Amino acid sequence: EAGVTQFPSHSVIEKGQTVTLRCDPISGHDNLYWYRRVMGKEIKFLLHFVKESKQDESGMPNNRFLAERTGGTYSTLKVQPAELEDSGVYFCASSQARGVYNEQFFGPGTRLTVL
Amino acid sequence: QKEVEQNSGPLSVPEGAIASLNCTYSDRGSQSFFWYRQYSGKSPELIMFIYSNGDKEDGRFTAQLNKASQYVSLLIRDSQPSDSATYLCAVKEGGSEKLVFGKGTKLTVNP
Repeated sequence: EAGVTQFPSHSVIEKGQTVTLRCDPISGHDNLYWYRRVMGKEIKFLLHFVKESKQDESGMPNNRFLAERTGGTYSTLKVQPAELEDSGVYFCASSQARGVYNEQFFGPGTRLTVL
Repeated sequence: QKEVEQNSGPLSVPEGAIASLNCTYSDRGSQSFFWYRQYSGKSPELIMFIYSNGDKEDGRFTAQLNKASQYVSLLIRDSQPSDSATYLCAVKEGGSEKLVFGKGTKLTVNP
């Protein structure tokens, strides 16, 4: 069974540009999560999809970030316009269920560098 | 601000020793507790999860949970060089699916 995949693995852009990150969850997983880790800090939650619906977007830092999951399969996270503080590693995770016994499986991450 | 704190490390142990990793959390409503292992440049990999007070053993790994003290730990017995990685403690908030992570503890097992 394929794991969570993310594309690209690395992205280097200039401040003010737009970047779109993609996540393909494990097949059959309705729940998809975005997290990010900025330099020296802990991994932090951004948002949670259940199928195509945003269940919890309390971690989204500001309106420069837009996440979508059309059709309830893969998801994209767009940053527009990118700022220096957006640099970090963006992780996607997926899970089959929700609740106490939920296990989230993580992808390898996309390392974003904003110059 | 709900927080998860881990001993800062780095932690270095000789091969064959027991490695002890500790984590405290602030949200008393937390219900699920996870230990992820992350090799450099790789994805976090779930190695243990625990929901009930007490110990949970899986091979060389034992997770311990004390909800009264808001404390969760991971013991690695017979540590191997391949266990060298960063260990992340994550806590699921009550009523939410989000994981709150600690900063991680880097473990090095010396041959």
